[in-house]
Amino acid sequence: GAVVSQHPSRVICKSGTSVKIECRSLDFQATTMFWYRQFPKQSLMLMATSNEGSKATYEQGVEKDKFLINHASLTLSTLTVTSAHPEDSSFYICSALDRVETQYFGPGTRLLVL
Amino acid sequence: EDQVTQSPEALRLQEGESSSLNCSYTVSGLRGLFWYRQDPGKGPEFLFTLYSAGEEKEKERLKATLTKKESFLHITAPKPEDSATYLCAVPETSGSRLTFGEGTQLTVNP
Repeated sequence: GAVVSQHPSRVICKSGTSVKIECRSLDFQATTMFWYRQFPKQSLMLMATSNEGSKATYEQGVEKDKFLINHASLTLSTLTVTSAHPEDSSFYICSALDRVETQYFGPGTRLLVL
Repeated sequence: EDQVTQSPEALRLQEGESSSLNCSYTVSGLRGLFWYRQDPGKGPEFLFTLYSAGEEKEKERLKATLTKKESFLHITAPKPEDSATYLCAVPETSGSRLTFGEGTQLTVNP
């Protein structure tokens, strides 16, 4: 099956710093990638849709200036959490859309902001 | 608005005890229904896509079926390693965003 990787898998940072998370589709090209956030015991919450070569589309209530998304190539999308605060601590998961419109998910990144 | 409802929220089985998970959906035009498995602290793992009523797909001890209103994930003779949260999702009518159900947390005891 299709493989999507994320890096880092876990990150701890101080409040006020920025953190970048990478999402790569390893064996297929993805013009569209998605970024989700998941709280404990809850389902996935879509944050934004990332399209290669164009601006990301953010879901209602998601601050685009806080969660910067760059989809610079067909295999890489990045999410930067700017000026992170403790309330940004969460599990962030990306997915990549293949040619038959199946989303394959990365393993997730656990962010802890102190 | 698309809606996906999964039941039960949690299911506890003994090893070898077969059962089914339910996913009811309301969409204006179904373009597929996806099943994923999610282990704690990991991203969802793709299991199946079903496209039309009557379709069935199997993978090891899992079989997914689809009707016009719901999908079932049948687990035959489950093993402890089948313990996970199972998610179903449907894509929006025009686009690729998914609407997820809340998931069924399955625990299989040895």
